[in-house]
Amino acid sequence: NAGVTQTPKFQVLKTGQSMTLQCAQDMNHEYMSWYRQDPGMGLRLIHYSVGAGITDQGEVPNGYNVSRSTTEDFPLRLLSAAPSQTSVYFCASSYSWDSSTKQYFGPGTRLTVT
Amino acid sequence: GENVEQHPSTLSVQEGDSAVIKCTYSDSASNYFPWYKQELGKRPQLIIDIRSNVGEKKDQRIAVTLNKTAKHFSLHITETQPEDSAVYFCAASIQEYGNKLVFGAGTILRVKS
Repeated sequence: NAGVTQTPKFQVLKTGQSMTLQCAQDMNHEYMSWYRQDPGMGLRLIHYSVGAGITDQGEVPNGYNVSRSTTEDFPLRLLSAAPSQTSVYFCASSYSWDSSTKQYFGPGTRLTVT
Repeated sequence: GENVEQHPSTLSVQEGDSAVIKCTYSDSASNYFPWYKQELGKRPQLIIDIRSNVGEKKDQRIAVTLNKTAKHFSLHITETQPEDSAVYFCAASIQEYGNKLVFGAGTILRVKS
């Protein structure tokens, strides 16, 4: 199993551009989520999905959209990039949406918005 | 909502000494408390977790303790080694809200040889 994969690893955008961060898992995990990591702030939940066709907002959802058309994929879309979205983005998945199920993280995407 | 505070923000220890990182949480309904280790430029890796019906859990040199009354939990690393140097994050999640983790701000652990 490849586990949780993310592409690209690095990306530079200009303010106002849009792009999609890709996340995929091959473990048949029900739950997937996106976090952003900023210095000194830990990881903050952006959006999450408890199964195909079901998504919901996390702690910091503004400026991001998600969809979950398949169990495997959970892309994160930046609609109009802003410098405040410069961050490292991690996708995570777990077997179940149950609160005590272990979550596994992808390798991350480092995004810079100029 | 849930708030998780983590202390200290940085911790330096001598190789072979013990390290303790503490976290407090605000919502008494929290029931799952994982700890993640993140090396520079890498992804967070789950190192140990504990559920609210357990007071202590140990895995070799790593242990986690939970005090539900005081709403705090701690990570203990014994016989520290240089490869333990990393950023450690605590987190909490609430049964009613599914698997949404709220993270602490992290602790930079440096083990000096």
